[in-house]
Amino acid sequence: NAGVTQTPKFQVLKTGQSMTLQCAQDMNHEYMSWYRQDPGMGLRLIHYSVGAGITDQGEVPNGYNVSRSTTEDFPLRLLSAAPSQTSVYFCASSDRTGGNEQYFGPGTRLTVT
Amino acid sequence: GENVEQHPSTLSVQEGDSAVIKCTYSDSASNYFPWYKQELGKRPQLIIDIRSNVGEKKDQRIAVTLNKTAKHFSLHITETQPEDSAVYFCAARSGGYQKVTFGTGTKLQVIP
Repeated sequence: NAGVTQTPKFQVLKTGQSMTLQCAQDMNHEYMSWYRQDPGMGLRLIHYSVGAGITDQGEVPNGYNVSRSTTEDFPLRLLSAAPSQTSVYFCASSDRTGGNEQYFGPGTRLTVT
Repeated sequence: GENVEQHPSTLSVQEGDSAVIKCTYSDSASNYFPWYKQELGKRPQLIIDIRSNVGEKKDQRIAVTLNKTAKHFSLHITETQPEDSAVYFCAARSGGYQKVTFGTGTKLQVIP
């Protein structure tokens, strides 16, 4: 199993550009989440999904969209990038029926200039 | 929503000493409390977790305690080793879904 994968690893955007961060998992997990990590602020939940077709907002959803058309994929879209969105983004998944452990992807480091 | 506070933000200990990291949470409905270790440039990885119906859990040199009345939980690392140096995050889950709130992290440095 590859676990949770994320692409790209690094990305530089100009203000106003849009892009999609990809996240995929091959563990058949129902739950998937997106976090951003900023220095001194821990991980903050952006959006999460409890299954295909179901998404909800987390703590810091503004400026981001998500969709969950399949169990495996959970892309995060930045609609119009702003310097405040410079961060490291982590995707995570977990199994509803098993333990509660969240498995994290390797992260995407995004810089918005 | 849930609010998780974590202290201290940095902690230096001598190799072989113990390290304790403390967290408090606000939502009395929170029922699951994981601890993650994150090495520099890596992803967070679960090291231990505890549910609200348990007061203490141990795994070799690592233990977690939970006081539901006071709404706080702690991570204890005994006989620290240099490879324990990392950032540690506590977290709390409230509700039935994976809405997990993280603390702001503790940077632990173990001095050889």
